Amino acid sequence: NFMLTQPHSVSESPGKTVTISCTRSSGSIASNYVQWYQQRPGSAPTTVIYEDNQRPSGVPDRFSGSIDSASNSASLTVSGLKTEDEADYYCQSYENNVWVFGGGTKLTVL
Amino acid sequence: QLQLQESGPGLVKPSETLSLTCTVSGDSIRRRTYYWAWIRQPPGKGLEWIGSMYYSGHTYYNPSLDSRVTMSLDMSETQFSLKLSSVTAADTAVYYCARTPNFFRGEYWGQGTLVTVSS
Repeated sequence: NFMLTQPHSVSESPGKTVTISCTRSSGSIASNYVQWYQQRPGSAPTTVIYEDNQRPSGVPDRFSGSIDSASNSASLTVSGLKTEDEADYYCQSYENNVWVFGGGTKLTVL
Repeated sequence: QLQLQESGPGLVKPSETLSLTCTVSGDSIRRRTYYWAWIRQPPGKGLEWIGSMYYSGHTYYNPSLDSRVTMSLDMSETQFSLKLSSVTAADTAVYYCARTPNFFRGEYWGQGTLVTVSS
């Protein structure tokens, strides 16, 4: 199966915009939906984006997802950063009845 | 409102079998729409999918754990379980159960339970 590679950490100031990438090692990123989960310390993950670019109800529209076939990657963009957005973010996809998670990105809002 | 709660021993000895139960309230695990999954997270590390199970009992396992994992639905409509055999310290993790609206993504997660493998 493929791997999903994320940057270990990103940081940005409140009010700014940050983008977290998730690059698929083999096969097309467009072949299978990508999800993004937010995990705050000591808590279970929650979905912020599913099926590449869909937001669950209750997730603010400051969160958006996209895929780029040219770079074979998915991206999570968070605009208007708030201190409450500080968390670990994981991308996830699947193939051949197997889920694959990225290694996670720690977002620091300083 | 849907809630999932993991339960089981917090300490398991090496070479023994880890057994966990997920209790579901606010839904039936026999509903034909959903899958039910287990995911784990070693301390300070990332998420790892263990496996998923359909309401019919059909299972899908992570190939890296396949030979040691068994997932099953209980006869009640409110619980499903995970067994992981021949555990080692590498199996120490927070174990989450989750409801998934289709095979490929998580939706509702339990709060997780820490299982430590140590003698």
